[in-house]
Amino acid sequence: NAGVTQTPKFQVLKTGQSMTLQCAQDMNHEYMSWYRQDPGMGLRLIHYSVGAGITDQGEVPNGYNVSRSTTEDFPLRLLSAAPSQTSVYFCASSYLLDTEAFFGQGTRLTVV
Amino acid sequence: GNSVTQMEGPVTLSEEAFLTINCTYTATGYPSLFWYVQYPGEGLQLLLKATKADDKGSNKGFEATYRKETTSFHLEKGSVQVSDSAVYFCALRGAGNTPLVFGKGTRLSVIA
Repeated sequence: NAGVTQTPKFQVLKTGQSMTLQCAQDMNHEYMSWYRQDPGMGLRLIHYSVGAGITDQGEVPNGYNVSRSTTEDFPLRLLSAAPSQTSVYFCASSYLLDTEAFFGQGTRLTVV
Repeated sequence: GNSVTQMEGPVTLSEEAFLTINCTYTATGYPSLFWYVQYPGEGLQLLLKATKADDKGSNKGFEATYRKETTSFHLEKGSVQVSDSAVYFCALRGAGNTPLVFGKGTRLSVIA
């Protein structure tokens, strides 16, 4: 039972590079979301999706794109990486909005 | 909008001490309230939850009561252990299709 799987676990990018953070869940959850975690800031919502084909912006969406072509996958794209995007990124999923959210192990991203 | 405020850390306690981590919230309607825990190097996992006023969530010796009159959901444990050392996040999910909103987290260190 894999749960929520994020890849990669660690990544270093140069300013201006693009990349995709992968997130997959095998629990048939409709609801998925991306957060970033920064010291003293807690978790801030980047984007979320309430089902395949439906996405919406969270608190800090600038510089990130998402898509939800399948129920299982919810990739996060950094279009042109900036040092301000250095952070730990977490993907989460839940069956319904009021049920427990399951988190991946996180991706630690450094932009130099 | 919805928001969560929790006490600043870090909190350092001796083993078997009593723990309280304060959490207050602002939300319209009747939100669901959660405590998540993050152990070092891991993603967040649900500790306990309460979905209506006066509900008490409990798990692993931790408790929190949903107090609508004081808009609070304080986390308590009667006797902490070294293994409880982690970061604790208070969170809420408002009415409708709204994502989880997190507090900034409180780091707890328990020393033997």
